[in-house]
Amino acid sequence: NAGVTQTPKFQVLKTGQSMTLQCAQDMNHEYMSWYRQDPGMGLRLIHYSVGAGITDQGEVPNGYNVSRSTTEDFPLRLLSAAPSQTSVYFCASSWGGGGYNEQFFGPGTRLTVL
Amino acid sequence: DAKTTQPNSMESNEEEPVHLPCNHSTISGTDYIHWYRQLPSQGPEYVIHGLTSNVNNRMASLAIAEDRKSSTLILHRATLRDAAVYYCILRVFYNQGGKLIFGQGTELSVKP
Repeated sequence: NAGVTQTPKFQVLKTGQSMTLQCAQDMNHEYMSWYRQDPGMGLRLIHYSVGAGITDQGEVPNGYNVSRSTTEDFPLRLLSAAPSQTSVYFCASSWGGGGYNEQFFGPGTRLTVL
Repeated sequence: DAKTTQPNSMESNEEEPVHLPCNHSTISGTDYIHWYRQLPSQGPEYVIHGLTSNVNNRMASLAIAEDRKSSTLILHRATLRDAAVYYCILRVFYNQGGKLIFGQGTELSVKP
């Protein structure tokens, strides 16, 4: 199993550009989520999905879109990048959302917006 | 969501036990206590979780107070590879979203 994979590892954007961060998992997990981590801080939830076709907002959803057309993939779209979106982005997955489930995290994407 | 409180940082010597405390005085009866750690430049990694009873796995032990208002993650013999930020997180059992609310965590440094 590759686990949770994320691409790209690094990305530099100019203000106003759009891009999609890719996330895939091969564990047949129903629950997937996106977090961002700013320097010296814990992770904050952006969006999450409890299954294909179902998504919902987390703590900091503004400026981001998600969709879940398959169980395996959960891309995160930045519509119009802003310097405030400079961060490290982590994707995670688990069997379900229940409190007894452990989450598996990807290696992260480091995004810089100039 | 119930909050957790952890010390900002702790130090340990290599090959000695480490006890990482976490206070969660507003925990509800259906909240699971999870611990994750994040090594430098990596994504968080699951360590252990429990509900009421103490738990052991190959990585660590979790000791939960009888009133569940606090817990302690125990690393039995710290190694240099255990230097990381450790997060204590409460997860609601019935919330299908199952979101993890990360606090600041405890930064553990291990001295050779």
